[in-house]
Amino acid sequence: NAGVMQNPRHLVRRRGQEARLRCSPMKGHSHVYWYRQLPEEGLKFMVYLQKENIIDESGMPKERFSAEFPKEGPSILRIQQVVRGDSAAYFCASSPDTGSDYGYTFGSGTRLTVV
Amino acid sequence: ILNVEQSPQSLHVQEGDSTNFTCSFPSSNFYALHWYRWETAKSPEALFVMTLNGDEKKKGRISATLNTKEGYSYLYIKGSQPEDSATYLCAPYNTDKLIFGTGTRLQVFP
Repeated sequence: NAGVMQNPRHLVRRRGQEARLRCSPMKGHSHVYWYRQLPEEGLKFMVYLQKENIIDESGMPKERFSAEFPKEGPSILRIQQVVRGDSAAYFCASSPDTGSDYGYTFGSGTRLTVV
Repeated sequence: ILNVEQSPQSLHVQEGDSTNFTCSFPSSNFYALHWYRWETAKSPEALFVMTLNGDEKKKGRISATLNTKEGYSYLYIKGSQPEDSATYLCAPYNTDKLIFGTGTRLQVFP
């Protein structure tokens, strides 16, 4: 029973390139959340998705960042034209239903380094 | 933006000591509070989901209490062991997602 799978674990991109981060939720979970951890900071909410829908993107920067969770396949967090300030650990979590009563299951994260 | 505060920021204790930390959050529009344990190089792992004022949850040597009227939760670890060394995060549920505090980093020395 695989947990939340994130790949790649580490990603290095040059400034201006695109970064694509993937997250496959736990089996049976239809709610996906993306969080970002900047150096020396805590987990900051970015976006909450259900299949084919963005429910809450209040934590997502308005430009260059987008997220999707298609009917088939993993959730994708896409960062276009990356800058050094995008270097961070990006964590994905999933839950079986809206999370007030259910703990989140986290993936191992993708560490993005922009050079 | 929900303001979640955890204290202390870090804590060093000897093996066998008991310890506790605090999570403060706005008491209005409360739905639930989660506690997570995050070991270095691993993912955050859910410890407790608490919803009712006065709730007390326990898992082995770790327990937590909740006061929704005044907006705080305590996490207690009885007889700390080196394997308890981790960052402990609290997260109130806000509208439709969890908002995490910056955590308390616990180091237990043998």
